[in-house]
Amino acid sequence: LAKTTQPISMDSYEGQEVNITCSHNNIATNDYITWYQQFPSQGPRFIIQGYKTKVTNEVASLFIPADRKSSTLSLPRVSLSDTAVYYCLVGDMEGNYQLIWGAGTKLIIKP
Amino acid sequence: DTAVSQTPKYLVTQMGNDKSIKCEQNLGHDTMYWYKQDSKKFLKIMFSYNNKELIINETVPNRFSPKSPDKAHLNLHINSLELGDSAVYFCASSQDGGTGDETQYFGPGTRLLVL
Repeated sequence: LAKTTQPISMDSYEGQEVNITCSHNNIATNDYITWYQQFPSQGPRFIIQGYKTKVTNEVASLFIPADRKSSTLSLPRVSLSDTAVYYCLVGDMEGNYQLIWGAGTKLIIKP
Repeated sequence: DTAVSQTPKYLVTQMGNDKSIKCEQNLGHDTMYWYKQDSKKFLKIMFSYNNKELIINETVPNRFSPKSPDKAHLNLHINSLELGDSAVYFCASSQDGGTGDETQYFGPGTRLLVL
């Protein structure tokens, strides 16, 4: 049974780079890896998605090793407004219609 | 111009009552979802519909019944509410690109409190 595991919480400081790793040992061939951000009293919001290697957009990078059994979300130069819960999602809406969410990592950024 | 909207935003009710939560998306997406988020912030998918057809039906009590009148709407009806149903319920939608990498867009959530 697929499962995703991520740290419950992390602290960092403004201006630092933050890396959050998600473990997904049983990832299936067609599964994509997606990260979402959630602020209090809001729905989750898409940050980045990848299948393998490295993906970068204007807000984050996603590193996926060759075996795809883990992935690392990298937030460069965080600010106080990056304080949120970050979720890792592994899933496939084309084949087996399975979506496996991690429990979320509460990231607190300090001044 | 909200992409995914839910009503009501808050719902306080007594045990045993029946209630509905409505969801609408104006993104033209083919797939819609219902999630339950408990007090520990675990996100649990409940149902997913693609073009009005049920494609994900996780193990939830049959007191929960989704209804999709058209692909822009996915409503959730809950019968005989219990204390454990208290949670935040999120609706989401995604475009069916056929590649498995659909981004989900979430609504603002409905906070349900059962007394």
